[in-house]
Amino acid sequence: QKEVEQNSGPLSVPEGAIASLNCTYSDRGSQSFFWYRQYSGKSPELIMSIYSNGDKEDGRFTAQLNKASQYVSLLIRDSQPSDSATYLCAVNGGGDEKLTFGTGTRLTIIP
Amino acid sequence: DVKVTQSSRYLVKRTGEKVFLECVQDMDHENMFWYRQDPGLGLRLIYFSYDVKMKEKGDIPEGYSVSREKKERFSLILESASTNQTSMYLCASSFLTGTYEQYFGPGTRLTVT
Repeated sequence: QKEVEQNSGPLSVPEGAIASLNCTYSDRGSQSFFWYRQYSGKSPELIMSIYSNGDKEDGRFTAQLNKASQYVSLLIRDSQPSDSATYLCAVNGGGDEKLTFGTGTRLTIIP
Repeated sequence: DVKVTQSSRYLVKRTGEKVFLECVQDMDHENMFWYRQDPGLGLRLIYFSYDVKMKEKGDIPEGYSVSREKKERFSLILESASTNQTSMYLCASSFLTGTYEQYFGPGTRLTVT
């Protein structure tokens, strides 16, 4: 059973600070990793994809992947109230087209 | 711009009714997926399809069936709706090979009474 684990939160971060979200996965053969943002009552929106070890930056977002330790993280710099949402980590094992999702971390940015 | 649409945002049905949820994508994606999302349980895969008329069971297919007659359209069918199928239903699509990035539709909040 492939598993993706996230701390459910809530994680509260002051406006302007760095929010750090973490995710661990059980399948060592996993190849592709994704972060989705989901506002309350809305559907998940893809915000970051990462495929190789290291950091990938896109604006205020940085995804970090460490395959040896089987974790992936998302950093949000200069956090804004509009970043308040649930963040889902998703992993593709490489053997098929499916993604395994974590249950999400609820992030609240405090003005 | 990627576009996945779902037939209804909100739906209320009675126990025992046959329910059709439809999803359409305009990105020429080969793969299409149906999930349900429940508090504390996350996203669970019901069925997916990697080609027209092809389907594979996901983690929770019981009580559901699917139909894919055209590449852009994937339907989820609840043969006889039950109250435990009250949930948010999400459709997603992706290319067959490459990035595995999935793009979601807006979701259908289904209530079965």
